[in-house]
Amino acid sequence: DSGVTQTPKHLITATGQRVTLRCSPRSGDLSVYWYQQSLDQGLQFLIQYYNGEERAKGNILERFSAQQFPDLHSELNLSSLELGDSALYFCASSSTSGKAGELFFGEGSRLTVL
Amino acid sequence: AQSVTQLGSHVSVSEGALVLLRCNYSSSVPPYLFWYVQYPNQGLQLLLKYTTGATLVKGINGFEAEFKKSETSFHLTKPSAHMSDAAEYFCAVSEAGTASKLTFGTGTRLQVTL
Repeated sequence: DSGVTQTPKHLITATGQRVTLRCSPRSGDLSVYWYQQSLDQGLQFLIQYYNGEERAKGNILERFSAQQFPDLHSELNLSSLELGDSALYFCASSSTSGKAGELFFGEGSRLTVL
Repeated sequence: AQSVTQLGSHVSVSEGALVLLRCNYSSSVPPYLFWYVQYPNQGLQLLLKYTTGATLVKGINGFEAEFKKSETSFHLTKPSAHMSDAAEYFCAVSEAGTASKLTFGTGTRLQVTL
């Protein structure tokens, strides 16, 4: 158990819909990272937050947005969903702002868009 | 831009045999290198990392990797495979000094047979 909790574990929705994925980092970790894992793209870094502020941005679509709340949990919002958004979305946390510390990954949220 | 190439999407070894998973990286700045393991239906777990210093790094579960700058390689090895090692292994690179924007390889699925 990494200590990172993601909900929901599985989600099935239709094209055009909007979903919210939630992540609770390990106790005390200030950084939250979101990654997307798909068969064709592999593991892609989406975005990082540190103590409520956006710290780094990767290949995140404009239809996607994220935030980190004062209690440090984070939400990834995916809107106008397309078939190609079907993937496993991982949240990871670390205790640092981006130094080469260990990332602790949750078990992921599997999104299926029909 | 950074990238990693993992040679072989599937590797099969017998129990007790040597495990060798290959990773080559490309980076314009000194890299930090990582190996992560993903067991079925779980998130990624850090096996080991190279930042600075000793080029031979030891990780969990008997795995080790050697950073070879001249060959731009960071291959993962284990002297004797165990059935419990069956999983997917990801090599990743980041710019020195940061764990954000980890760039992952496409993964190598390790199968261990009796």
